[in-house]
Amino acid sequence: DIQMTQSPSSLSASVGDRVTITCRASQSISNYLNWYQQKPGKAPKLLIYGASTLQSGVPSRLRGSGSGTDFTLTISDLQPADFATYFCQQSYLSPWTFGQGTRVEI
Amino acid sequence: QLQLQESGPGLVKPSETLSLTCTVSGGSVSSSSYYWAWIRQPPGRGLEWIGSIYYSGNTYSNPSLRSRLTVSVDRSENQFFLKLSSVTAADTAVYYCARHLRYSGNELFDYWGQGMQVTVSS
Repeated sequence: DIQMTQSPSSLSASVGDRVTITCRASQSISNYLNWYQQKPGKAPKLLIYGASTLQSGVPSRLRGSGSGTDFTLTISDLQPADFATYFCQQSYLSPWTFGQGTRVEI
Repeated sequence: QLQLQESGPGLVKPSETLSLTCTVSGGSVSSSSYYWAWIRQPPGRGLEWIGSIYYSGNTYSNPSLRSRLTVSVDRSENQFFLKLSSVTAADTAVYYCARHLRYSGNELFDYWGQGMQVTVSS
C-alpha cells in the first residue's frame, strides 16, 4: 500500500495567519492527491482534488500544490472556520489511502 | 442536494458480523457516474477506505478487509450495504458511507454521510 505521511501532526495558529500542511507519499503518485477537511463530530469535506483543483464552493484562500511524492496545502488569511483537521488521500493506486491528519488549532 | 445516511447497530459482539446500511437521497445509486463507498475511522486515527460498489454490483475493496467483507446494493431502495464478518475490537470505528467519484483518473469522495459509531464489545 502507498503510505501517506502528513506533517506536522498539529499546529497552532491565529486568525489571519498563513499555514502550510505537507503530505508525502511513499512512492510517486503523480498528481492523484486529494485534500479533505474534518471538523469534530462531522464527516470529512472534500476541499481539493487532483492536487490543486478547488472543489466547488471552497474559498480561494486554500491552495494545493505538488506532484510526485510531495504535496502541500496552504491556507492564507486563516479564518475561524478553518480550524479543523486536514487529511490527504492518494488515488494513484488502490487501496486508496489517507494521511493521519493535521489538526489546525487556535 | 445529495444526502447519505448510515444506519445499523451501534454495538456488535466480537466474532459476529457488522452490518450497516447507507440510504441515499437526492440522488440515485443507479447512476452510472459514481461508485458508492464505505470508509471508516478508528478512534483517534486516520481514515481507511473499506470498499466501493457500482450500481451494477461490481465491487472492489481494501485487500486488508476483503476476506471478511461484503458490499452490496439495492437499487430499488436506493441503498447500499456493508457487512464485515468476524469482527474484533480493532473494527471499532466511525463508519462513513460516501459517494465515490472517478474523475480523470482520480478517485475521490465528494459527499459523505454523517458517520456512525460502531463499537465491538461483548
